Amino acid sequence: DGGITQSPKYLFRKEGQNVTLSCEQNLNHDAMYWYRQDPGQGLRLIYYSQIVNDFQKGDIAEGYSVSREKKESFPLTVTSAQKNPTAFYLCASSGGHRYSNQPQHFGDGTRLSIL
Amino acid sequence: QKEVEQNSGPLSVPEGAIASLNCTYSDRVSQSFFWYRQYSGKSPELIMSIYSNGDKEDGRFTAQLNKASQYVSLLIRDSQPSDSATYLCAVNMFGGYQKVTFGTGTKLQVIP
Repeated sequence: DGGITQSPKYLFRKEGQNVTLSCEQNLNHDAMYWYRQDPGQGLRLIYYSQIVNDFQKGDIAEGYSVSREKKESFPLTVTSAQKNPTAFYLCASSGGHRYSNQPQHFGDGTRLSIL
Repeated sequence: QKEVEQNSGPLSVPEGAIASLNCTYSDRVSQSFFWYRQYSGKSPELIMSIYSNGDKEDGRFTAQLNKASQYVSLLIRDSQPSDSATYLCAVNMFGGYQKVTFGTGTKLQVIP
């Protein structure tokens, strides 16, 4: 079945450690996104990518980094510079060309906590 | 003013009633509008997309869009306890590169 796979489901980070969250999609979507959701709050955009080898900062990119080497994959690294990383991280993708209005579809998310 | 605004709720309705969820947005040139359902601890699930003024029906769900008044709503007919969730309104603010802005969501409680 086509979908978006995020791993791991739960992740614990030690002080000073970088951690990488995986996101893979087999929907042949061009655009991929990373959001952060804090309890009782909406989704905040961290990074997005419209095409391979290109990505843009979202509203809260500080302390995060991404890569887009393959169409199917958009991993997110939470660096030690992100001082408050505890949150629910959601990866999404959407199809169509640059000027289309296709909705985003989400993976199941990764919960990141500090040890 | 927030770009996409929703009443946080909770909105409580009895089972079998119509639940009405509202969303307003600030950018007049917004092109596309989406409703997502998010159960507690889960990821958002797309339930409706709407692109032009008027009503769009899908089963028990009806999305209503009024671009002149800059609001979009979601009606849930014959509400069931399984509809209890947070409903997120999302707006494509620029109609181009698919950058979508999400509201903070309305929590719906359907009382058996």
